[in-house]
This record gives sequence, structure tokens and C-alpha cells, in this order.
Amino acid sequence: GAVVSQHPSRVICKSGTSVKIECRSLDFQATTMFWYRQFPKQSLMLMATSNEGSKATYEQGVEKDKFLINHASLTLSTLTVTSAHPEDSSFYICSARHTGYSNQPQHFGDGTRLSIL
Amino acid sequence: ELKVEQNPLFLSMQEGKNYTIYCNYSTTSDRLYWYRQDPGKSLESLFVLLSNGAVKQEGRLMASLDTKARLSTLHITAAVHDLSATYFCAVAHIQGAQKLVFGQGTRLTINP
Repeated sequence: GAVVSQHPSRVICKSGTSVKIECRSLDFQATTMFWYRQFPKQSLMLMATSNEGSKATYEQGVEKDKFLINHASLTLSTLTVTSAHPEDSSFYICSARHTGYSNQPQHFGDGTRLSIL
Repeated sequence: ELKVEQNPLFLSMQEGKNYTIYCNYSTTSDRLYWYRQDPGKSLESLFVLLSNGAVKQEGRLMASLDTKARLSTLHITAAVHDLSATYFCAVAHIQGAQKLVFGQGTRLTINP
């Protein structure tokens, strides 16, 4: 079945550090990938839609310069949290849907737990 | 603006009992999804519902969709402990990238 790989699974770093998270679709091409953030005991909130070969589309209230998204190929999107601070600590999850199969569900990565000290 | 509401948000039930989780959404959509999330884990896809009247079943779980009422249900039959998890419904925007809007989640605890 379709698999989405997300790396790293956990990051602990000091305030001010920039952190890059990778999201790969392993056995399918994904023109569009999605980045979500989930705080403890809350639902998933969409941060941005990552579009292969073009700029990402950010949701209202999400800082573009803070959360840099690059979707350089049909199988890889990256999210960089720049100059991270403790309030950026969260569970970040990416998802992807097989290009051309809009009736299929989005497949989610295993998530990245980010802790900023 | 598309809004998705689930209820109940918390559900504690005994093994062997039946219960239903409800998912209401505010604007027209043609795709609704149910996901399961275990503590500390990511989301696992359970069901994809694409049309009015759609019903899908997998084991003790059955999901249905009424697009006219903008309502989906997830029914649990004869619950077992392994079904303890948080369940999310998510509704897709019709246009554009069909991004998903998630409900608040229902935290289900099944007691022996």
C-alpha cells in the first residue's frame, strides 16, 4: 500500500535552532502534500499546502517566513521551522495523496515530535 | 468557511456495547474520511466516503454518509478494548487542492 515516510521522528533542540523535516511518498507520486500541526489533546490544524514546483499555500495565521516549505520533486516535501522557539514545540504531521487519485485518502507520515528547549 | 464538528468528544464505554460517533459539517463536500489515532502516533485511514448514502464496514466499525444532512456516523458494534483510540472525521474542500478540515476528535476509551 501507499506509504509516506517522515523524518526525523523526534527532535529536541535549543531555542533559535532551525529544524528541517522531510516528507517522502515512497511508492507513489504526490503533486500536493500537506503539513499539519497538532498540539497535545487537540485536533490537526492544516498549516500549508505544498505544491510541487511552485510556492506553498499557507493557511491564515501561519507565518511563511517562519515555516519554510519546499516541494522540489514529486516525492519529497520539506518543512523548515526557522529560529524555533518553545511555542513551536508540537507534533508536525505531513500527508500526501497519490496524484490523479483524488478519491483516495490522504496518507499520513508518522509525524515529527518537535521539542524546543 | 468549512467547519467540522464531532460529538461526543469523549466516550467511555464497556466492552460489548454499541455506540455511535457523529460528524457534522457546515458546507457542501463530496468526500469525508474517518481516521484513527493512537496515543503518540500518526493517523491511520479507516474509511473514505464519497457519495450520499455510502456505507462502509470494517470489522466492528461501520461508517455512513448523508450529504443532504451533512452528517456522517461511525458506529461501533460490540466494542473491544483494542478499539480504544481517538477517532477523527475530516471533510475535504470541494475546490482546489481538496484540503481537509478535521473535526475535534472523539477520544474513545473501552473498559473491560
